[in-house]
Amino acid sequence: QLQVVESGGGVVRPGSSLRLSCVASGFSLSTYGMHWVRQAPGKGLEWVAAVSYDGIHELYGDSVKGRFTLSRDKSKKTMFLHMTSLSIEDTAVYYCAMDMAWQTSSGEGSGMVVWGRGTTVTVS
Amino acid sequence: YDLSQSPIVSVSPGQTAGISCSGDDLGDRYVSWLQQKPGQSPVLVIYQDVKRPSGIPERFSGSNSGNTATLTISGTQSMDEGDYYCQAWYGSAVVFGGGTKLTVL
Repeated sequence: QLQVVESGGGVVRPGSSLRLSCVASGFSLSTYGMHWVRQAPGKGLEWVAAVSYDGIHELYGDSVKGRFTLSRDKSKKTMFLHMTSLSIEDTAVYYCAMDMAWQTSSGEGSGMVVWGRGTTVTVS
Repeated sequence: YDLSQSPIVSVSPGQTAGISCSGDDLGDRYVSWLQQKPGQSPVLVIYQDVKRPSGIPERFSGSNSGNTATLTISGTQSMDEGDYYCQAWYGSAVVFGGGTKLTVL
């Protein structure tokens, strides 16, 4: 069964750093593109970042560019989101999602078909 | 880039619900639709405009043309209540619509 599980959230002070993890089971991260999507309390979905299946393309939303960085471990089972200079506006549930459509090109569209339960980041 | 959705759509049980999403040249891009129920993670219901992932009922369908994409739910059931988000790529960024709350009255 395809599954992703996020962890690493917590309560931090403004200006702090935090690292989120996304562990994949049932598939390898080198097979599918992966996204981080966040949702602030009572708000809609906001795309944060994505990495292509081959790890070559790392893409970031404007609100996190320069502050957040993606990485993957060599086993290709865990993806990380390194977050720095956190602000109150970064408070959200952070979801990891596997994309079965997007490989490397935006022309492929997206199919974020596997989502985790999310991990909560509170900056206060 | 912005994807615009009506905040609320109401439908009677058994009727057809249409949820629209508007954006510049949206018809030139693939659109996905996600359903989210309170306290739950999003679920993909339509991708690449018209495709349904495994396990999604046939009553969910999608279309995309011009500047508007539409998610249609035929024979809407109470279990279909929730928030629906459209999503598309613009350049090297993923954009989500603001979401539509579907109520089944």
